[in-house]
Amino acid sequence: DQQVKQNSPSLSVQEGRISILNCDYTNSMFDYFLWYKKYPAEGPTFLISISSIKDKNEDGRFTVFLNKSAKHLSLHIVPSQPGDSAVYFCAASAPGAGSYQLTFGKGTKLSVIP
Amino acid sequence: DTEVTQTPKHLVMGMTNKKSLKCEQHMGHRAMYWYKQKAKKPPELMFVYSYEKLSINESVPSRFSPECPNSSLLNLHLHALQPEDSALYLCASSQGPARGWTDSPLHFGNGTRLTVT
Repeated sequence: DQQVKQNSPSLSVQEGRISILNCDYTNSMFDYFLWYKKYPAEGPTFLISISSIKDKNEDGRFTVFLNKSAKHLSLHIVPSQPGDSAVYFCAASAPGAGSYQLTFGKGTKLSVIP
Repeated sequence: DTEVTQTPKHLVMGMTNKKSLKCEQHMGHRAMYWYKQKAKKPPELMFVYSYEKLSINESVPSRFSPECPNSSLLNLHLHALQPEDSALYLCASSQGPARGWTDSPLHFGNGTRLTVT
């Protein structure tokens, strides 16, 4: 039973437009959420995180939004660039666990078209 | 360049072989991890070492044997593997527990692509 779900396997966006990647979770105990980006033949790279005490966290072109009541988070990339083309993983953990014990989603492959 | 180095990049082994995967980091991190990732699946946590002590074993079969010789090195010893164990094995490290687990994102290596024949 998947506790972290990324229901869109892929997403194509024009360069300069907004990319919105979605993630749903079923475990209401999760209180820490992260996004990782993965290029082919490389390991995942940390992008941005958010704890459940916030509903938004921003870092440059990347913003993560958390809707606790809907058990939903999203990653917004504005503006999208061709170098953003990668697989994006959503991950979550229970209270106090942080990165110690993460549950990952299956990933969404983002393609940014020049 | 990744700050977590994994060797080898690729490994092909038979079911009767014994091999080891190696991981090294020099960021002073005190937690190290092994993850397994199969195609089109999420990374799955296998083991966590904290201060060189095994703290999490996610019910991994004994044919996978982790070892943390010191704070910079993490090994995964493989013996009598099955073809279904073919996957990408990712090593990661983080500052936690020293800094707090919620302020310590994982730093991943590029992985070892393992094929069991």
